[in-house]
Amino acid sequence: EPEVTQTPSHQVTQMGQEVILRCVPISNHLYFYWYRQILGQKVEFLVSFYNNEISEKSEIFDDQFSVERPDGSNFTLKIRSTKLEDSAMYFCASSEITGELFFGEGSRLTVL
Amino acid sequence: AQTVTQSQPEMSVQEAETVTLSCTYDTSESDYYLFWYKQPPSRQMILVIRQEAYKQQNATENRFSVNFQKAAKSFSLKISDSQLGDAAMYFCAYGEYGNKLVFGAGTILRVKS
Repeated sequence: EPEVTQTPSHQVTQMGQEVILRCVPISNHLYFYWYRQILGQKVEFLVSFYNNEISEKSEIFDDQFSVERPDGSNFTLKIRSTKLEDSAMYFCASSEITGELFFGEGSRLTVL
Repeated sequence: AQTVTQSQPEMSVQEAETVTLSCTYDTSESDYYLFWYKQPPSRQMILVIRQEAYKQQNATENRFSVNFQKAAKSFSLKISDSQLGDAAMYFCAYGEYGNKLVFGAGTILRVKS
């Protein structure tokens, strides 16, 4: 069964460092998303991506964040200068047009 | 903006019993989807069940069923014959065609043996 894969599963970084989280969505999906979940809290929308551009972003997704689909298969989330409050689980998801999101297993980011 | 409310932060159920998790949402749209996702301790998000708003029939998936009340904007999840493996955080989510999902705050389900 096709699945969304994410790497790394866990990354520890120092505050101020750049982090890139990678995702390989399901191959025939058209919509891509990043969500984050601070431990024990709700799943928060960060950004959606369609047709090689951002279609929607939340207020969390400030200038420190960027997304890219560099080669037609990978979908990356970059945090330019990490802060302590960026520590969270980051989920990539993809979907066809029909609304159901398929999630990856998540990348846990710990900022020290 | 659409909102999803789960009013039960935590629920408990005895193994083999039935439990219902509540969810309400707010939208002005007529076409949308509703979902229940399960998040076990591994933290992966697993789709449990989905409901298209245009369908009057409530969705069922084995032991999982929903009570979808469109006029009341209510979407509850019923788990029958609860099993220890059902213990998890459950998120209700609202979505539209090609748009992001909006999640509720989640309900922790504990299953007692």
